[in-house]
Amino acid sequence: ELKVEQNPLFLSMQEGKNYTIYCNYSTTSDRLYWYRQDPGKSLESLFVLLSNGAVKQEGRLMASLDTKARLSTLHITAAVHDLSATYFCAVGASGGGADGLTFGKGTHLIIQP
Amino acid sequence: GAVVSQHPSWVICKSGTSVKIECRSLDFQATTMFWYRQFPKQSLMLMATSNEGSKATYEQGVEKDKFLINHASLTLSTLTVTSAHPEDSSFYICSARGSGVMAYFGPGTRLTVL
Repeated sequence: ELKVEQNPLFLSMQEGKNYTIYCNYSTTSDRLYWYRQDPGKSLESLFVLLSNGAVKQEGRLMASLDTKARLSTLHITAAVHDLSATYFCAVGASGGGADGLTFGKGTHLIIQP
Repeated sequence: GAVVSQHPSWVICKSGTSVKIECRSLDFQATTMFWYRQFPKQSLMLMATSNEGSKATYEQGVEKDKFLINHASLTLSTLTVTSAHPEDSSFYICSARGSGVMAYFGPGTRLTVL
């Protein structure tokens, strides 16, 4: 059974600081996703990572994947208030098939001025 | 990017009634659609996977007779919550995937059962 663990689950940080959210998963996977969710809203796709060593960046967010360690990170650089949201990582089962995703519990991020 | 719509966006119903939620891929053909459920302040849990023209595959613990899924075309999947009860109140989110690896999420449907 595929399990996905995120940490921290809650993070309060100040604007301008850097921080990293970690996502560990238990079995081999060929795709890892990061999503953002604002209160009462659905998911906004941020990144999909498909190979070992993959790194993607968009604005102040950067995601990386280490398939050997079964670890992905989402790094926030010089945080701004607008990045306050809940961030989920999600993993697809290996085989590249049509399986649904297994989600982590989410990291509730609050960025204070 | 690809757009997935859901209808309705929210619904309130009485206990014992059935509710149908539609999920449409607006600008691509979704060979596979997924239904998730999210309780307040919790993560998303996969309920079922549906492929066009075939029966849905349900996750362990999800009652297929209670949550009826029909993937009638490459752009439409429906989830019917039958004989809804208050414990079925939740945020239901569909996701659609075409030929690539990206799965696009709908805006969600908030179901409240009184």
